[in-house]
Amino acid sequence: EAQVTQNPRYLITVTGKKLTVTCSQNMNHEYMSWYRQDPGLGLRQIYYSMNVEVTDKGDVPEGYKVSRKEKRNFPLILESPSPNQTSLYFCASSQAGQPQHFGDGTRLSIL
Amino acid sequence: AQRVTQPEKLLSVFKGAPVELKCNYSYSGSPELFWYVQYSRQRLQLLLRHISRESIKGFTADLNKGETSFHLKKPFAQEEDSAMYYCALSAANTGNQFYFGTGTSLTVIP
Repeated sequence: EAQVTQNPRYLITVTGKKLTVTCSQNMNHEYMSWYRQDPGLGLRQIYYSMNVEVTDKGDVPEGYKVSRKEKRNFPLILESPSPNQTSLYFCASSQAGQPQHFGDGTRLSIL
Repeated sequence: AQRVTQPEKLLSVFKGAPVELKCNYSYSGSPELFWYVQYSRQRLQLLLRHISRESIKGFTADLNKGETSFHLKKPFAQEEDSAMYYCALSAANTGNQFYFGTGTSLTVIP
């Protein structure tokens, strides 16, 4: 089954404790992206990647890192999480020009 | 710059009434435009894309290049249409990066 898988689905952690949210797709898509969704602000892009070893900043990259060492994986790293990064995060993938496929989301709470 | 604007954050209509969710875009080339829907506590799902010109769940959307709009319409709203709707643009001149609007929350009142 074609899918985008995010882990964990839920995480409560404390300020400053490094965390990684994994994202994996099994569709051989070149394009992958991370978004955060906040009430009243909609969906905002954090980082995106057009292919292996090619990543670029989206609209709200501060406080986040990504890597794309393999085509299928695109982890989101919060080196020193802060409460303002409490949000619902979505990973997505697609082929160029094609609709994005979204994961189920990861709800992060930073205390 | 490529941008997508959804002017209405909230929209309420009565069941059976027509509904139109507005989407305007700015893009210098030929855009690929999409509508996504997110039901409560679920992932975003593709609803429709402009090149397919199809109707999904009774919704249609027509690309108007003159007005740079891609409004989503349905003649008779149903309660199950209550959801968050996002308009999105794929820009070929930036490696097909996706740009999303801020979304419109539709509530269909019984």
